[in-house]
Amino acid sequence: AQSVTQLGSHVSVSEGALVLLRCNYSSSVPPYLFWYVQYPNQGLQLLLKYTSAATLVKGINGFEAEFKKSETSFHLTKPSAHMSDAAEYFCAVSGGGSNYKLTFGKGTLLTVNP
Amino acid sequence: GAGVSQSPSNKVTEKGKDVELRCDPISGHTALYWYRQSLGQGLEFLIYFQGNSAPDKSGLPSDRFSAERTGGSVSTLTIQRTQQEDSAVYLCASSLPPGGGSQETQYFGPGTRLLVL
Repeated sequence: AQSVTQLGSHVSVSEGALVLLRCNYSSSVPPYLFWYVQYPNQGLQLLLKYTSAATLVKGINGFEAEFKKSETSFHLTKPSAHMSDAAEYFCAVSGGGSNYKLTFGKGTLLTVNP
Repeated sequence: GAGVSQSPSNKVTEKGKDVELRCDPISGHTALYWYRQSLGQGLEFLIYFQGNSAPDKSGLPSDRFSAERTGGSVSTLTIQRTQQEDSAVYLCASSLPPGGGSQETQYFGPGTRLLVL
């Protein structure tokens, strides 16, 4: 069984400030981990994914995440927030291979203040 | 290239009516998934199709929900005798076949927003 916990349903930052969105997972098998972003009235867009290669994963729009097995975490960061980063962010886990179902966290709404 | 498309984008129906939601996956993607996004439950897996294999229906919440995929491409999710708790955004995703040591990225459509009155 797999699960994802996203700490903080709402995060607010100032433009130019560090963005940190937290994700902890539980998985009985080596996990594949994902961050997706959802803009209003749109579908989910993949930001980045971890699939057992490098533990520091770089994604689109300047985001990156680090897989820490000892902490069962996969936090998402961006050094400098932009107004266009305002959206909802979802962390997801799967078992990979035939275990293809994505299990999502509840999401974190990011607000960027001018 | 074209992404995953879904229709209708919005659907309002009355309790007890049947609805059909359509998904057109990315060309060449043999794997297709349906998820539901609701305020109370977040994002939930519903059903998965891969090629000609039997679908994984383990996420369907009740026997009022069914889905089919014709010709390995377009999929239709049908909800019979809709209830107010069925109100949600229904998202479709497609990917290359999972497995082979790599988790294939699931590409999502814009969703169908269903409101049951």
